[in-house]
Amino acid sequence: DGGITQSPKYLFRKEGQNVTLSCEQNLNHDAMYWYRQDPGQGLRLIYYSQIVNDFQKGDIAEGYSVSREKKESFPLTVTSAQKNPTAFYLCASSTFTGLAVEQFFGPGTRLTVL
Amino acid sequence: KQEVTQIPAALSVPEGENLVLNCSFTDSAIYNLQWFRQDPGKGLTSLLLIQSSQREQTSGRLNASLDKSSGRSTLYIAASQPGDSATYLCAVDNYGQNFVFGPGTRLSVLP
Repeated sequence: DGGITQSPKYLFRKEGQNVTLSCEQNLNHDAMYWYRQDPGQGLRLIYYSQIVNDFQKGDIAEGYSVSREKKESFPLTVTSAQKNPTAFYLCASSTFTGLAVEQFFGPGTRLTVL
Repeated sequence: KQEVTQIPAALSVPEGENLVLNCSFTDSAIYNLQWFRQDPGKGLTSLLLIQSSQREQTSGRLNASLDKSSGRSTLYIAASQPGDSATYLCAVDNYGQNFVFGPGTRLSVLP
């Protein structure tokens, strides 16, 4: 089955630690995205990547870093510089058909800072 | 900058009612609009995608319309069921580069 996997499902971090969230897709999509969702709120874009070895900052990139070394993988590192990292993190990928850009989502990772 | 709003923020209806969720966006230069469903603690599930050249899309009891010139879309749910209870989000592409999401409408369908 094609899809997007995120791991772990739950992650706990101590203050001052960096943590990396995994996102893998086997949909052969070029573009991948990371979003943050806070309780009762919509999605905010952290980073996105249109092709391998290239990525752009979204609206809330401060305190986060990404890499895109392989087409199927787009890991997100939450650094100690992110002051309020407790949130639900969603990874997505998209395909462009020439007429539409359709986005697909993984199941999410819930990060809690202790 | 593209902005997306959704009305109402929350909605509670008895089972069997037909209902309409609204989505508005400020910049009509889009490829498409996509409606998603999100259950608590889960990822987003795509419901319908409407290309900018289309007026509506249907899937089962769901019908989504798009008026690109006025920056509006509606999601119509017929004969609502308790299993429809979830948060519904709309999203538009941002010049094909990324996506902008609305804050969502939280729907509760009461048995």
